[in-house]
Amino acid sequence: GQNIDQPTEMTATEGAIVQINCTYQTSGFNGLFWYQQHAGEAPTFLSYNVLDGLEEKGRFSSFLSRSKGYSYLLLKELQMKDSASYLCAVRVTGGGNKLTFGTGTQLKVEL
Amino acid sequence: DVKVTQSSRYLVKRTGEKVFLECVQDMDHENMFWYRQDPGLGLRLIYFSYDVKMKEKGDIPEGYSVSREKKERFSLILESASTNQTSMYLCASSSPMGHEQFFGPGTRLTVL
Repeated sequence: GQNIDQPTEMTATEGAIVQINCTYQTSGFNGLFWYQQHAGEAPTFLSYNVLDGLEEKGRFSSFLSRSKGYSYLLLKELQMKDSASYLCAVRVTGGGNKLTFGTGTQLKVEL
Repeated sequence: DVKVTQSSRYLVKRTGEKVFLECVQDMDHENMFWYRQDPGLGLRLIYFSYDVKMKEKGDIPEGYSVSREKKERFSLILESASTNQTSMYLCASSSPMGHEQFFGPGTRLTVL
């Protein structure tokens, strides 16, 4: 199976930068995903990495190191609306498109 | 606007009842998924389906079954509801090669 670890909670200041880490142990790695989930709402897709390196999408970037089993989500110019849970998920080969999710990191953005 | 809809936002059932949770997607996706989400445990996969009439067990299938008679509809069935099945249930769909799973709004099920 897969083992995915991410911090339970983080707090950051509006306008700042925050990095949310995710480590995983799996065989047959075939992609790492980040989802955002606001309280009481469904998760929404943020990013996908399958090769090593950084993927940038506006204020959000995601990094992957397959050799280290490590990813991070970087949020810049934090806004109050970024307060949400951030879910790391892993896909493996032969598993179709099914994902295994971490328990999520609850980010609180303060003034 | 792509959509995944679930039959109820909130549902209250009694122990031992048979419960049906319905999910419908309008994106012609082959893949559909049922998860439950619990505090501290995150999203856990119950069952998924690659195509009509096909189903595979996820990580926590015990106490659940599924049905996929039409491509757009994926049903989760609790044969005899128990209190430990009180949870938020989320349905999702994706295309086979797509990177994104699209989630429905969720059904918060309470079993008394």
